[in-house]
Amino acid sequence: QVQLQQSGPGLVKPSQTLSLTCAISGDSVSRNSAAWIWIRQSPSRGLEWLGRTYYKSKWYNDYAVSVKSRITINPDTSKNQFSLQLNSVTPEDTAVYYCARLSMIRGGYGMDVWGQGTTVTVSS
Amino acid sequence: DIQMTQSPSSLSASVGDRVTITCRASQSISSYLNWYQQKPGKAPTLLIYVASSLQSGVPSRFSGSGSGTDFTLTVSSLQPEDFATYYCQQSFNTPFTFGGGTKVEIK
Repeated sequence: QVQLQQSGPGLVKPSQTLSLTCAISGDSVSRNSAAWIWIRQSPSRGLEWLGRTYYKSKWYNDYAVSVKSRITINPDTSKNQFSLQLNSVTPEDTAVYYCARLSMIRGGYGMDVWGQGTTVTVSS
Repeated sequence: DIQMTQSPSSLSASVGDRVTITCRASQSISSYLNWYQQKPGKAPTLLIYVASSLQSGVPSRFSGSGSGTDFTLTVSSLQPEDFATYYCQQSFNTPFTFGGGTKVEIK
């Protein structure tokens, strides 16, 4: 059974960097037919896709335009995990952050495994 | 980005009722539409993928239909554990955007 375990601080100061990690068990971050994503949820923005990392002969990333200048998602094959870094945070980045696995299912893509969520508050 | 619009935003229903939620995409997304269920304090879970395929372990009272821009999620006979918020999500183009959600409450 695939599980994703999130870790990271729940409180970040404005202008600092939000860092979260998602540890994978039961699957591999390097598997060709999956991607590993970060999503956040807030009352004002709903569910918001932030970006993904995936491996297809080499590593790829793509990010939402809204955070593209501030975000990095990195795989760590030695620890079988992936991370989120969001720079220069403001109170608008306050949200519940989720990691998830994006699987190809019958030609489409679905997020079939999710982490438990981390509530991140941006406040001084 | 593709915009996803769900309706209604909330509804009240009784156990045993048939419930239908609609989702409209701002452009054609073929059948690349997923439905998720979310309960308070929990992560969403995948119910239906590519518009009409039931994810493993999901009860058969859930069904999905549609293609192009218009989609529906139907619960044939609402059970107590189905009171939750439901989201559609397109997987046609990144960013894979979500609808605003439909909260199903007990009447």
